[in-house]
Amino acid sequence: GAGVSQTPSNKVTEKGKYVELRCDPISGHTALYWYRQSLGQGPEFLIYFQGTGAADDSGLPNDRFFAVRPEGSVSTLKIQRTERGDSAVYLCASSLLAGASDTQYFGPGTRLTVL
Amino acid sequence: AQSVTQPDIHITVSEGASLELRCNYSYGATPYLFWYVQSPGQGLQLLLKYFSGDTLVQGIKGFEAEFKRSQSSFNLRKPSVHWSDAAEYFCAVDSSGGSYIPTFGRGTSLIVHP
Repeated sequence: GAGVSQTPSNKVTEKGKYVELRCDPISGHTALYWYRQSLGQGPEFLIYFQGTGAADDSGLPNDRFFAVRPEGSVSTLKIQRTERGDSAVYLCASSLLAGASDTQYFGPGTRLTVL
Repeated sequence: AQSVTQPDIHITVSEGASLELRCNYSYGATPYLFWYVQSPGQGLQLLLKYFSGDTLVQGIKGFEAEFKRSQSSFNLRKPSVHWSDAAEYFCAVDSSGGSYIPTFGRGTSLIVHP
C-alpha cells in the first residue's frame, strides 16, 4: 500500500509569510508525528496526534507553529510569520498506534526555505 | 534530560568490510533504543529497536545492535557492508514511558568505497 506522503516536497517562501505543510499518513494509522530536521542534525520532535487530538505538542518551538488533524487522518502543520531560522526539512511519520512498540513510518519530508 | 551522542560524523569503509557505528545515551533507567537509516530522497526507515530482554538485537538489511548498560551504549554493526548501505544513520532513545517521543542523535554519515 501507499506510504506516508507529504506535500509540497519543496517550499520556498519569504520571511514573514504564512505556510502550510501537509501530511497524508498510512491509511488506518491512528498516530501521527511531526518532526523538524535542520541541516546536519537529527530529527527533532514537534507534536504528535492520537486520532484528532494533539496528545503532546511540547516540541513546538513557539506559538507561530500550529498543527491540526481534524478528521484523524490528514494533518497540516501551519507556520505563521516565518523566520529564516524555520528553514529545515519537516518530516511526518505515522504509526498504527502510539507507543514505542509501534513502528513509525516516515514520509520523504518537505524542505522549507525561508528567504 | 535524555540525550543521544553519535560521536562519529562520518565513517568511511570499503565494500565488504565490517562496520560499527557508535551510539551513547544518557538516561537513568533502561530506555527504548532505536536505529534508523535515511537514504537520499527517502524517508527515515527503522532498522531495529531494543526494549528489553536479549541485549543483541537483529534488524533488517543484515544489521544488528548490542545494548550495553554498563557503557550506556547501543552500537550498530554489520559484518559486511554493501555499497547500497551508504546513507545517514540515526540512533534514537525514547524514555517517555512508551509514548514514543524519541530523541535523535545528530547522525553518522556512512561512505562506502568500492
